[in-house]
Amino acid sequence: QSVLTQPPSVSGAPGQRVTISCTGSSSNIGAGYDVHWYQQLPGTAPKLLIYGNSNRPSGVPDRFSGSKSGTSASLAITGLQAEDEADYYCQSYDSSLSGSNVFGTGTKVTVL
Amino acid sequence: EVQLVQSGAEVKKPGESLKISCKGSGYSFTSYWIGWVRQMPGKGLEWMGIIYPGDSDTRYSPSFQGQVTISADKSISTAYLQWSSLKASDTAMYYCVRYGDYMDVWGKGTTVTVSS
Repeated sequence: QSVLTQPPSVSGAPGQRVTISCTGSSSNIGAGYDVHWYQQLPGTAPKLLIYGNSNRPSGVPDRFSGSKSGTSASLAITGLQAEDEADYYCQSYDSSLSGSNVFGTGTKVTVL
Repeated sequence: EVQLVQSGAEVKKPGESLKISCKGSGYSFTSYWIGWVRQMPGKGLEWMGIIYPGDSDTRYSPSFQGQVTISADKSISTAYLQWSSLKASDTAMYYCVRYGDYMDVWGKGTTVTVSS
């Protein structure tokens, strides 16, 4: 059972902006732990998309951006493209689970 | 190129044992944690645990403590995930990841199918 909650799905037309929320609590995001985001294209392994709340690894388009505030974080995709259709997961650390990383519930992004 | 190469798909029967592997290359294997992530069919990602190959310090998610064993052989830059008695509910894709403060390198995954 994940302690980070994401919407099951979001959708948008090509070119639009979509956001994915990741809601945690005072033992994970609210405690100051960083949030990281991963993209999982269909049939492939996840890939690091955003690290340290808002940093993009080299090669990740600047259409992807991350932010964090309080006990939540968000991933925004601007200029949505067909190849962005994937599952997205947030991840952080939780101090209440004997010190363990936790993933969000995952969000399916559909490009209409 | 930094990469993690995982062992091939496995089909096992309930009660059997299994050890899958993850070989790191292109970086100092003993300087990064290696983690394991489970993804059951059609489901999300679950953190299982990590090991630091440099000194074999191992930590498990509470959900997986006692259910699996994580180990590593630094002499061959390989980490392992092991079951002593598989259950049908262990059917899943298992990914190994390189972990610093985040999971920056992922293996392609090993599919484990447990069926009688």
